[in-house]
Amino acid sequence: EIVLTQSPVTLSLSPGERATLSCRASQSVYTYLAWYQQKPGQAPRLLIYDASNRATGIPARFSGSGSGTDFTLTISSLESEDFAVYYCQQRRNWPLTFGGGTKVEI
Amino acid sequence: EVQLVESGGGLVQPGRSLRLSCAASGFTFDDYAMHWVRQAPGKGLEWVSGISWDSAEKAYADSVKGRFTISRDSATNSLHLQMNSLRPEDTALYYCTKGRLVVVVTAFDHWGQGTPVTVSS
Repeated sequence: EIVLTQSPVTLSLSPGERATLSCRASQSVYTYLAWYQQKPGQAPRLLIYDASNRATGIPARFSGSGSGTDFTLTISSLESEDFAVYYCQQRRNWPLTFGGGTKVEI
Repeated sequence: EVQLVESGGGLVQPGRSLRLSCAASGFTFDDYAMHWVRQAPGKGLEWVSGISWDSAEKAYADSVKGRFTISRDSATNSLHLQMNSLRPEDTALYYCTKGRLVVVVTAFDHWGQGTPVTVSS
């Protein structure tokens, strides 16, 4: 099983600041990595697929990068609606796995 | 607009069974893989099971293998999860998700609102 480790667990920032979230895989997942955003009481939403491709309707302030085992989700300038939990997910191997999440808080 | 509406959740005793369903609309159901993902209270996301567009390929997390069965019905555009021998650790909110691709190994580009399952005596 591919283990995804996200860091930090919690990121405390202010609106307008840049957020950098990390996801590290226990073995190479090539670029088969996605990022999701989840707000309290809501279902997750796909942000980024295949490491760097924004999903439909996702603002340009969200960007993804990386390949192999190290990946980054960057939010260029935080808006109030961006404070949420973010998960990474790999589709390189069965079972599909998620990271433990990073909470971006004010 | 893609809509995924889950049903069938509830309170069940350990060892009993439950069948979850997901009604899909707003897209060509036969063109995409479908999955179930769960989230225990206050915890992260866990992929449970996935099925290819043509039902030829099915996959399960080790934690549910042999107890859960995924299926889909193209006549009714619905996804199902038959859950047998339920355990307290199966307690979670179960999300129906649409795969972004036709293949089963995919990201999930649309999610339902979830149906809660509680396994307790």
